[in-house]
Amino acid sequence: EIVLTQSPGTLSLSPGERATLSCRASQSFSGADLAWFQQKPGQAPRLLIYGASTRATGIPDRFRGSGSGTDFTLTISRLEPEDFAVYYCQRYGGSPPYNFGQGTKVEI
Amino acid sequence: QVTLRESGPAVVKPTQTLTLTCNFSGFSLTTSGMCVSWIRQPPGKALEWLAHIDWEDDKYYSTSLKTRLTISKDISKNQVVLTMTNMDPADTATYYCARYKVELGALDYWGQGTPVTVSS
Repeated sequence: EIVLTQSPGTLSLSPGERATLSCRASQSFSGADLAWFQQKPGQAPRLLIYGASTRATGIPDRFRGSGSGTDFTLTISRLEPEDFAVYYCQRYGGSPPYNFGQGTKVEI
Repeated sequence: QVTLRESGPAVVKPTQTLTLTCNFSGFSLTTSGMCVSWIRQPPGKALEWLAHIDWEDDKYYSTSLKTRLTISKDISKNQVVLTMTNMDPADTATYYCARYKVELGALDYWGQGTPVTVSS
């Protein structure tokens, strides 16, 4: 079973700053199976990035996904007020289970 | 337009069986590459993937919960049903269904979630 570990648990930043979120896997897998989600309080998660680096429809280009193997990164180049939220990575593809990471909270 | 909506009881008692229904529209589970998953989120905690069903009726489950979960689909009603047996207060959570599209390799549409409390 592949376990995803996200770091840091909480990121305290200001609007306009750059955010770098990490998702590390216990075993290597295809980047095609790695997605990032954003979740705001009281809302369902929203798909941001799939295939490790492809932005979903309507996602602004300040969100960038990268990485391969066991190390994946979500970068938000300049934080907007609406970007303060919790971010999750998930591996979905290949052998189940399709675990999520434990999340990174980006706070002001 | 793709939509998913979860429904089920808001409260169940310990040891009871929970049955949740996901009604969806805008796609068909007979179409190659289409799948539906269930995910849950306890209050203040992380997302937890539970189960998956696809257009070929292949089913996959969380390792830790597989003995308690059953996922099924009703093509004629555009529904996916999840049952979870022997409910415990630790199963209190918001339960989501979401569409997985093989072409994308990700959960691209989510329902709004349905909260379930396990309490006597």
